[in-house]
Amino acid sequence: DTGVSQDPRHKITKRGQNVTFRCDPISEHNRLYWYRQTLGQGPEFLTYFQNEAQLEKSRLLSDRFSAERPKGSFSTLEIQRTEQGDSAMYLCASSLLTVNPGELFFGEGSRLTVL
Amino acid sequence: AQSVTQPDIHITVSEGASLELRCNYSYGATPYLFWYVQSPGQGLQLLLKYFSGDTLVQGIKGFEAEFKRSQSSFNLRKPSVHWSDAAEYFCAVGGSGTYKYIFGTGTRLKVLA
Repeated sequence: DTGVSQDPRHKITKRGQNVTFRCDPISEHNRLYWYRQTLGQGPEFLTYFQNEAQLEKSRLLSDRFSAERPKGSFSTLEIQRTEQGDSAMYLCASSLLTVNPGELFFGEGSRLTVL
Repeated sequence: AQSVTQPDIHITVSEGASLELRCNYSYGATPYLFWYVQSPGQGLQLLLKYFSGDTLVQGIKGFEAEFKRSQSSFNLRKPSVHWSDAAEYFCAVGGSGTYKYIFGTGTRLKVLA
């Protein structure tokens, strides 16, 4: 399978614990995005990488959130001291750097439940 | 402000009936428009996209959408719905020189046998 893969698919944690999600984009894609999706809402932009550089972070991304893409390939999203409001689906997407906005290819998401 | 509005939260149609899902956008520059579909437990899959040119675009699974600049709309249509089309549909907008996509809140489609 050469699509975007995310791990884990589901994570249940207790409030206050740290969690980390991993995303492996399509290999030749140099753009990588993290979105968050809550029930009844569309995906909300969290952050964007072009190669290894994190070019933008949404205001939704509090100081407890950190994302990395160390070698311009896979990415991790870490949430420290989780809160119940962090419960959501975390979606990773990748695309090619083109002049026009290219198609986003999404992974199946990592669902986080904070008890 | 940039935004996407999908006014219908839920739509129910009978199998074989026609379908139209509405999408209105607010965007300060030339919009690039997308429709994605999400089945339960799955990621989002692109149905179709509009960048320029012919305002009627064809997509996968028999879907089409029409860009109407004067109405700031990009409605999704299908002439005959199949039971497998039951899913959630998201409209999104981006623009030239930007990498950020704005999604609507989605329309959940139910198909009656």
